[in-house]
Amino acid sequence: DAGVIQSPRHEVTEMGQEVTLRCKPISGHDYLFWYRQTMMRGLELLIYFNNNVPIDDSGMPEDRFSAKMPNASFSTLKIQPSEPRDSAVYFCASSLYSGGTNTDTQYFGPGTRLTVL
Amino acid sequence: SQQGEEDPQALSIQEGENATMNCSYKTSINNLQWYRQNSGRGLVHLILIRSNEREKHSGRLRVTLDTSKKSSSLLITASRAADTASYFCATQGGSEKLVFGKGMKLTVNP
Repeated sequence: DAGVIQSPRHEVTEMGQEVTLRCKPISGHDYLFWYRQTMMRGLELLIYFNNNVPIDDSGMPEDRFSAKMPNASFSTLKIQPSEPRDSAVYFCASSLYSGGTNTDTQYFGPGTRLTVL
Repeated sequence: SQQGEEDPQALSIQEGENATMNCSYKTSINNLQWYRQNSGRGLVHLILIRSNEREKHSGRLRVTLDTSKKSSSLLITASRAADTASYFCATQGGSEKLVFGKGMKLTVNP
């Protein structure tokens, strides 16, 4: 398997522009997670999906952020309008439910480094 | 807010030495996991320990869990330069969410 795929790997944009980050989870995985990583705040969970349905979006910082998962093999995280403080590395991860054995592990993509000028 | 807190925040050792990283957390958990992140890369799962386990081994890794003290430690034996990375503990409670600590930077000097 190719692992979790994210695109683009790097994105530089100007304040006010719309940014769309993309993720393809590992085939067969039923959970998908979006994280943001910064030096100041570490790794923060933004939102996660189960079987394409958003389960918990309490980490989404504000209404400028939105995430969708139209099918099992694709998810997007959109920021509109973008601001300099959104600059961070955004990770997508996926996992397969272990059936209640408490052994669920997450597989991370390589991340998208976003710079908002 | 962060659940896990790694200690120390940075560690520099010589190749061949052992590296010990500690993690403390605040609430009850189902399992605790350790991940590694190489510079500019995503996180990679290393080892998972369930709340009813006290110790687990995987190759050169040994993890312990003390639920009464809400703490865990990761020991890397006979370290190599390739072990240079950031290490994160993450806790899982009653959902699929993982809550990560801020990470610890390990440097292994050749």
